[in-house]
Amino acid sequence: SAVISQKPSRDICQRGTSLTIQCQVDSQVTMMFWYRQQPGQSLTLIATANQGSEATYESGFVIDKFPISRPNLTFSTLTVSNMSPEDSSIYLCSVLLGPNSPLHFGNGTRLTVT
Amino acid sequence: AQKITQTQPGMFVQEKEAVTLDCTYDTSDPSYGLFWYKQPSSGEMIFLIYQGSYDQQNATEGRYSLNFQKARKSANLVISASQLGDSAMYFCAMREGKRLGTSYGKLTFGQGTILTVHP
Repeated sequence: SAVISQKPSRDICQRGTSLTIQCQVDSQVTMMFWYRQQPGQSLTLIATANQGSEATYESGFVIDKFPISRPNLTFSTLTVSNMSPEDSSIYLCSVLLGPNSPLHFGNGTRLTVT
Repeated sequence: AQKITQTQPGMFVQEKEAVTLDCTYDTSDPSYGLFWYKQPSSGEMIFLIYQGSYDQQNATEGRYSLNFQKARKSANLVISASQLGDSAMYFCAMREGKRLGTSYGKLTFGQGTILTVHP
């Protein structure tokens, strides 16, 4: 397994502002992913963070709203831009350690937008 | 149509007893994987157990076992000897396809089952 550290663990933000969430892994991983879990809901994949290229976004998610960086094989950031209360969610970073491995998740960032 | 269905919003079990959490899935892909995750109130997602569609035997990991019935498309999680620390939300999830690519990290999650273990 890997140690996946997310910062911040939680935050309360005002609408219209942006928050950048960091994800650090203790080993090099090819594939990193960002998920969102809205209150009382299941998890939904936002995007795949590709090292050295633009992220691949799922339907319903756009780069202007959720810009992602992946500068190296151990680190990624997700920014939630121009926030509204509907963005209040848990955001989770996850990694794939190998072709037959499960997704391993960070501890999540609990975001509340007021 | 829902790809992963967890029909039990909440389940209660007495400490030290066994409990089964239900999960049914829907896919036309012959190659798929099924996962169970535990999410305590702290929000982290903890991987519990995995079953591949071609696996001949049911997966087991300590107190966790997966009752995989392929023809019925069900993958129920069995927790034996429940402990108070097992109280959490449990998610069933599926990965479709075998080719490694950007879609490989895409798990489809069910709505979850809240398990409460009583002393």
